Amino acid sequence: GESVGLHLPTLSVQEGDNSIINCAYSNSASDYFIWYKQESGKGPQFIIDIRSNMDKRQGQRVTVLLNKTVKHLSLQIAATQPGDSAVYFCAEKGSGNTPLVFGKGTRLSVIA
Amino acid sequence: SAVISQKPSRDICQRGTSLTIQCQVDSQVTMMFWYRQQPGQSLTLIATANQGSEATYESGFVIDKFPISRPNLTFSTLTVSNLSPEDSSIYLCSVAHLLNTEAFFGQGTRLTVV
Repeated sequence: GESVGLHLPTLSVQEGDNSIINCAYSNSASDYFIWYKQESGKGPQFIIDIRSNMDKRQGQRVTVLLNKTVKHLSLQIAATQPGDSAVYFCAEKGSGNTPLVFGKGTRLSVIA
Repeated sequence: SAVISQKPSRDICQRGTSLTIQCQVDSQVTMMFWYRQQPGQSLTLIATANQGSEATYESGFVIDKFPISRPNLTFSTLTVSNLSPEDSSIYLCSVAHLLNTEAFFGQGTRLTVV
């Protein structure tokens, strides 16, 4: 069936550097995408979303890029901080009454 | 946004028993969902909780094992029945105001079956 996956399962970055977390999706009908951050012992926290009619969206220190041609989604975190250490999930949703499908997750470790 | 209160936050249960998890939202929401997150893994949707009617279950999940109630727009319960060690997992309640908007999550219930 359709699935959402990630290129890298773990990522270590130096504090202050930029982080890029990647996600590949296979459902070309997906039209809504979300990035979540999950800290240990907590539920996923919404970071940023993007719809399929856009290719870039910026938030505070975060940017999501969507490349529909190659079905690729990325999350960029500027000036990564120790508090950014967590597992990051991408999620996709098709049109209509379809559920949110989560990718496998990437663990981001920030080295002070 | 929505504030979601999920109870209990964790529990240790004997095999063969059942655990009921409660999810309370601070505002009326259209969509409520239940997810399972096995250790070190991603989230898998169990079912969509429908107000006043039977939940919509995903492939691999059945009502007898995961009965769900949703009596109103702010409250839902998930019961995990006839527990086995394989049911040890985190169970998460999620809500969304509209179908194609962000979903918010509770803090989860960590279940350990012994």
